[in-house]
Amino acid sequence: GENVEQHPSTLSVQEGDSAVIKCTYSDSASNYFPWYKQELGKGPQLIIDIRSNVGEKKDQRIAVTLNKTAKHFSLHITETQPEDSAVYFCAALSLAGKSTFGDGTTLTVKP
Amino acid sequence: DSGVTQTPKHLITATGQRVTLRCSPRSGDLSVYWYQQSLDQGLQFLIQYYNGEERAKGNILERFSAQQFPDLHSELNLSSLELGDSALYFCASSVGLGDRYTGELFFGEGSRLTVL
Repeated sequence: GENVEQHPSTLSVQEGDSAVIKCTYSDSASNYFPWYKQELGKGPQLIIDIRSNVGEKKDQRIAVTLNKTAKHFSLHITETQPEDSAVYFCAALSLAGKSTFGDGTTLTVKP
Repeated sequence: DSGVTQTPKHLITATGQRVTLRCSPRSGDLSVYWYQQSLDQGLQFLIQYYNGEERAKGNILERFSAQQFPDLHSELNLSSLELGDSALYFCASSVGLGDRYTGELFFGEGSRLTVL
């Protein structure tokens, strides 16, 4: 089955700096790669996603890049703000319709 | 608000007991997923139902079972509880299949189970 590895497990940055979280996946047939943000006491919520026919997608301060050949994708957050502090999960969706999640990255943005 | 409702939000029980967690998916969603999140752990997939039928199974223990009812709500039953079962249990829903299915999951706020 699909295996998703996510790094780093914790990330601390100064407000205004950029943050990058990376994930690798094993199933070359996976075709949908979402990123979820989980704030304290809440369920994960989709913040951005990318499909296998696209290399990069941006939404204001967040962007996701996908390298299908290397089977890795990354989340980029620019001009970080304290409210970006949360746990971020990457996931890969297989053709069978199953989502496999990475272990999460705890991002702390220091004011 | 994701539109997914989970009850109860918190539950404290003793080892050996049995509990039932309930999930109401977003209106129109046919698929329901259950995930377990232990302390400082990721989201472990337990089981998925689509329109009342079991569709995929993950690392779900034999002591756990689930079902999806005709009105599409789902219940996760946890029995013979052990200390290690203490975790956050999330339900998520999606359209499931077809042209409207994007792959996005909509998560509830979770049920926190504490086994003493």
